[in-house]
Amino acid sequence: DIQMTQSPSSLSASVGDRVTITCRATQDIRNDLGWYQQKPGKAPKRLIYAASSLQGGVPSRFSGSGSGTEFTLTISSLQPEDFATYYCLQHNSYPRTFGQGTKVEIK
Amino acid sequence: EVQLVESGGGLVKPGGSLRLSCAASGFIFSNYNMIWVRQAPGKGLEWVSSIDGGSSYIYYADSVKGRFTISRDNAKNSLSLQMNSLRAEDTAVYYCARESFITMVRGVTPDYWGQGTLVTVSS
Repeated sequence: DIQMTQSPSSLSASVGDRVTITCRATQDIRNDLGWYQQKPGKAPKRLIYAASSLQGGVPSRFSGSGSGTEFTLTISSLQPEDFATYYCLQHNSYPRTFGQGTKVEIK
Repeated sequence: EVQLVESGGGLVKPGGSLRLSCAASGFIFSNYNMIWVRQAPGKGLEWVSSIDGGSSYIYYADSVKGRFTISRDNAKNSLSLQMNSLRAEDTAVYYCARESFITMVRGVTPDYWGQGTLVTVSS
């Protein structure tokens, strides 16, 4: 099974900060990775698919990069509405596996 | 407009059964893999099961294998999850989501998700 290690598990940041979240896979998953944002009581929202493709309607301050085993989600300038929990998901093989999540909190 | 609406959650005793449904609309249902993902209270997301458009390829997490059964009815645009021998650790919000097919095992990051249905397993 492919394990996804997401870091950090939480971070405190200020509005305007640049934020980077990383997911590492235990084996090559090509670019079969996506990123989600989840707010309390809501379903996950897809931000990035195929590692670096921006979901339509998602602000361009969000970007994804990487392939193989190392992936990054970057928020270039954190906005108040970005405080949430973020998850990566690999969909290269079964079982599908999520990262443990990164909670982004207000500093 | 793509919509996924889950139903069937509720309170059930340990060892009991429950059947979740997901009603799909706004897209050609049979063209997509469908998945179930759950989230225990205060915890992260956990993939539960997937089924391809033709019900030929079905996969389960080890934690539910042998107890849960995924199925779909393309004529009714409906996805189901039959959950038997429920345990306290199955308590979670269950989401259905749509995934585009690439190969037998590869997909595209699931795009549309339902709002979730809460399953509580407790005596």
